[in-house]
Order: sequence, then structure tokens, then C-alpha cells
Amino acid sequence: NAGVTQTPKFQVLKTGQSMTLQCAQDMNHNSMYWYRQDPGMGLRLIYYSASEGTTDKGEVPNGYNVSRLNKREFSLRLESAAPSQTSVYFCASSVQGAGETQYFGPGTRLLVL
Amino acid sequence: SQQGEEDPQALSIQEGENATMNCSYKTSINNLQWYRQNSGRGLVHLILIRSNEREKHSGRLRVTLDTSKKSSSLLITASRAADTASYFCATVKIQGAQKLVFGQGTRLTINP
Repeated sequence: NAGVTQTPKFQVLKTGQSMTLQCAQDMNHNSMYWYRQDPGMGLRLIYYSASEGTTDKGEVPNGYNVSRLNKREFSLRLESAAPSQTSVYFCASSVQGAGETQYFGPGTRLLVL
Repeated sequence: SQQGEEDPQALSIQEGENATMNCSYKTSINNLQWYRQNSGRGLVHLILIRSNEREKHSGRLRVTLDTSKKSSSLLITASRAADTASYFCATVKIQGAQKLVFGQGTRLTINP
């Protein structure tokens, strides 16, 4: 099992460009999450999907959109990137709900110039 | 807003010593989890302790939870160089949407 995979690993964007971060899990988990981590800080929840077909905003959703493509895949889209979105983005999944153990991907480092 | 706050922010000890990290939180919780993050990597789950539990062990890890003080501690015994990492506590509140809220972490350095 690969667990949680994320692509790309690293990306450089110019202000105003768009991109989609991909996440997939092969553990048959129902819930998936997108977090961002800024230097010296913990993770902040951007969006989550409690189950296939549902998505909800987290703590810092502005400037992002998500799509739960199917049970395995949960993508994060930046429509018009801003320097404030420079961060490391982590995808995670859990069997059912945020209260259970979450399994994290390796992260995507995004630099917006 | 951060629900959990870790203390200390950074800790440096000699290999073989015990390391203790603390976490305080503000509102009533369903459970509290500890995660480890090695530099440049994703987070790895260590232990989940539920609100009705007081202590939990996993190998060299011991976690305590005091709901009356709204605090938890993570003890790593007989530390090793490989334990060098950042450690985060995360909580799930009883009220509101079920979300995992992370603290800012403790950076632990084990000196050989």
C-alpha cells in the first residue's frame, strides 16, 4: 500500500497563476483533509471531505477550492495564486471523521513569487 | 485559532535522557492525539488518547491526559538520535464540527 500520495512534490508559481494539487489514498478511507503548514507553525485545516460527495470549509479556506473526485482522490485548487499561499501543503485521510487517526502524505512545497 | 499549545517550543537533550513535552488546550475535547514530523516530511501518528483515559503507553512513549487541567504530556524515555523531530498535539473538540486542530509543536533535538 502506498498510503497517501501527493503530486507534485514541489512547485513554483507566479502570482495570479492557477494550479491543482493532487492527493490520493489507497486505504479505503472515507474522510480526507487538506492542511497548510507555515514556518514555525502547526497545521491549519483548509478544507475537508467527511465522506465521498461532501466537502466543507476548514479554518483557512479563502483562495482555495476542492474537489472530492471519488473515494480515493481529493484535489486542492488555487485559482489565482498569491504570495501568501506560499506554504507546505499536506493531504491526510482517516477511516471516518477527524477524531480518528489521520494518515498524512509527504507534502507539496509551493512557492508563489 | 490554535486549540493546543505545546511547551516548550524547543527542547535539546542528550541521547539516553528522557524528553517531556506538554500540551495545553482551551475547550473540552473528545480526544487528543500526538504526531511526529521529521524535517521535510509528513506527520506520523503516535498516540490517540480519549477524554475518558488518563494514561496510555506505546513502546517508549507515555502520554497522560488531565481533562480538569486541560493538559496532556508526552514522555519519550531513553531518547535516541532518531527521535529528533517536531512533535505536535492535536485535539478534536466536543462542540461544533469535528476537526483536528494542531498546536504549534515542540522541536526536539537529541544530541549524540
